[in-house]
Formats: sequence, C-alpha cells, structure tokens
Amino acid sequence: DAGITQSPRYKITETGRQVTLMCHQTWSHSYMFWYRQDLGHGLRLIYYSAAADITDKGEVSDGYVVSRSKTENFPLTLESATRSQTSVYFCASSEIRVNEQFFGPGTRLTVL
Amino acid sequence: AQSVTQPDIHITVSEGASLELRCNYSYGATPYLFWYVQSPGQGLQLLLKYFSGDTLVQGIKGFEAEFKRSQSSFNLRKPSVHWSDAAEYFCAVGGMDSSYKLIFGSGTRLLVRP
Repeated sequence: DAGITQSPRYKITETGRQVTLMCHQTWSHSYMFWYRQDLGHGLRLIYYSAAADITDKGEVSDGYVVSRSKTENFPLTLESATRSQTSVYFCASSEIRVNEQFFGPGTRLTVL
Repeated sequence: AQSVTQPDIHITVSEGASLELRCNYSYGATPYLFWYVQSPGQGLQLLLKYFSGDTLVQGIKGFEAEFKRSQSSFNLRKPSVHWSDAAEYFCAVGGMDSSYKLIFGSGTRLLVRP
C-alpha cells in the first residue's frame, strides 16, 4: 500500500534494552523526520534526514540514533531505553522543503 | 528563539457553533505556517498551510485560517462545528530559517457538545 507506515504500532520494553522503530514510505520523498509526542509538549523533533545518508539532530536527540541507507526507510534506535523515552513516536516525510509533512500512524512505546 | 504558542489547552463548543483556535508564533524570517489535526490514536493530517499571498487560506473540512503578520498570529476558524471535528489541533511554523523543520505548538484539544 502507498503511504507511510510504522512498525511496530505498540511496543513494551525494559530499561536498558535496545529498541528499533521502523518507518517506511513509498513516495520516494527526500525528507524524513522522527518526532515524539508527549502530553503538554506537542511534537518534538528527534532527528531528520534530507536524503539517504544525510541525517541531522533535532531538539531532543540524546539517547537516539538514526540511519538512512535507503530513501524509503528511516529507522530510529533507542540504544539503551529509559523510562523517560516512554512516548508516542511519529515518523513523517516531505517531498520538498517546507511542503506538507505526511505522518505515519505512530508507535506507542512503553519503557518499564 | 523560534516558537509556537497555542494558549488554549482545551476548548469546548456546541455543535453548530463557530470555532476559533488561537496560534501565535515567534520566527525570525518569513514563516511558513501550518495547521494539523489529530484524531485519537491517529497520525497528523494537514488542514491547511500558508506560504505567501492571500492571508486568508482555505483548508479541508471547511476550515480556514488568517495570517496576521502584525500580530504574529495564524488563527484557525470554522463557522459551524460538527461532532466529528472533536480532535486535537496543532499549529506549526517552519521555513528557510529553520532548515525547513517544523516547530509545533503544544496543541489544543477540541471537545464538541451535542
């Protein structure tokens, strides 16, 4: 199906474990983004990517790692999960600069 | 610093009543402005966007927004609210000055009374 998908949709893990959240888009959009959504904070940018092999930090990147070896995939890894990383994570993509960002359905991550 | 403020955390309106959601921004360059809507358990969907030109922009689902540079505002309006409009609404700003990243407000949750 065309669009932007995220997997898993729900994940429960334990403190200290490594977790990878997947994001896949079928539009060949150049730009991709990872956000986290927490009550009272709206969406905060974790990482973004302008193209394959080009990534940059957002405002809340500590504890997260990304890669982008292919245009369509943009996985987000929590190297050693902490309770403060319990959140809903959204992936988004954009065709050109400042055009509409298309959002995935989100991944709800709980760190125990 | 670049920021977006949505001063109303919750708003409750009766079905059929008019709606205005407030958004104020702080941005150093020409802003690109967006309103998104998020239904429960869903991702965000774009309602409308402003890049330049006419300061009154029309969006989907009967929504409109007006850009007022002098007030640094981009308020969202709808003349008659439907029960299906109950959701969370996010204002966002972006542009060349932010390397085209979007900065989101903290959101306004809309409740609709029957």
